[in-house]
Amino acid sequence: RKEVEQDPGPFNVPEGATVAFNCTYSNSASQSFFWYRQDCRKEPKLLMSVYSSGNEDGRFTAQLNRASQYISLLIRDSKLSDSATYLCVALLINDYKLSFGAGTTVTVRA
Amino acid sequence: EAGVAQSPRYKIIEKRQSVAFWCNPISGHATLYWYQQILGQGPKLLIQFQNNGVVDDSQLPKDRFSAERLKGVDSTLKIQPAKLEDSAVYLCASSILAYNEQFFGPGTRLTVL
Repeated sequence: RKEVEQDPGPFNVPEGATVAFNCTYSNSASQSFFWYRQDCRKEPKLLMSVYSSGNEDGRFTAQLNRASQYISLLIRDSKLSDSATYLCVALLINDYKLSFGAGTTVTVRA
Repeated sequence: EAGVAQSPRYKIIEKRQSVAFWCNPISGHATLYWYQQILGQGPKLLIQFQNNGVVDDSQLPKDRFSAERLKGVDSTLKIQPAKLEDSAVYLCASSILAYNEQFFGPGTRLTVL
C-alpha cells in the first residue's frame, strides 16, 4: 500500500465552482501535512501547510481528519489559474519519513 | 532572493552511460533534497542531506546512484550506469530546516535512450 494516495482526477470544473478532493495516508503516526501545487512541466510550490486540524488561505481550505487518516483540499470560486496538479505530502518527523502522493489534477474551464 | 539552481536543465544519454546533476540550494538552507519524478507520478525522495550529512537515503538505488554534498552547500547526484527506467525529472529542493517549506529548483529532465 502506498504511503500517500490521491485521486488522480482530472477534476474538470467551471470557473467559479467549488472543487474538493482528498488525500489518504497509511501511517497513523504522520504528524504534518502539506499541499503543493505543480503546474505542467514546472516545479512544485508550497500551497499550504497543515499541522493541526486544518488551515485556510483565501479560497483554499485544508482539513485534516486524523481518525479517518485523510486530508482534504477545497478550492472555492475556482479561477482558470487554479488549473494544476495538487500534491499531498505526509511527514513522519521522528522517522524522517516524507512521502508525496501522485497528485490530483484540476482543470478549471471558462 | 535567488532560488534553487540546477544544471543542466535537459540531458539525453544512452543506457549504460553516466550522468551527473548539480544543485545549488538557497543560501542558508541547511537541508537539501533530491527527488526523482517520473511522468504522471509524484516526486520520490532519493536522498536528504542535513548540512553535509545524509539523513535519509533509503530509496536511493545505491548500486547505480550516488550523491554528495561537500561543505554543506552544493550537491551533485550521479547515475552510473544509467538505465532506461531512470528517465525522469530530477528535482532538487532545499529548506531552512528539515521539514520546513521546501523550495524546488526547475529540475533536470533526463532521457535515457
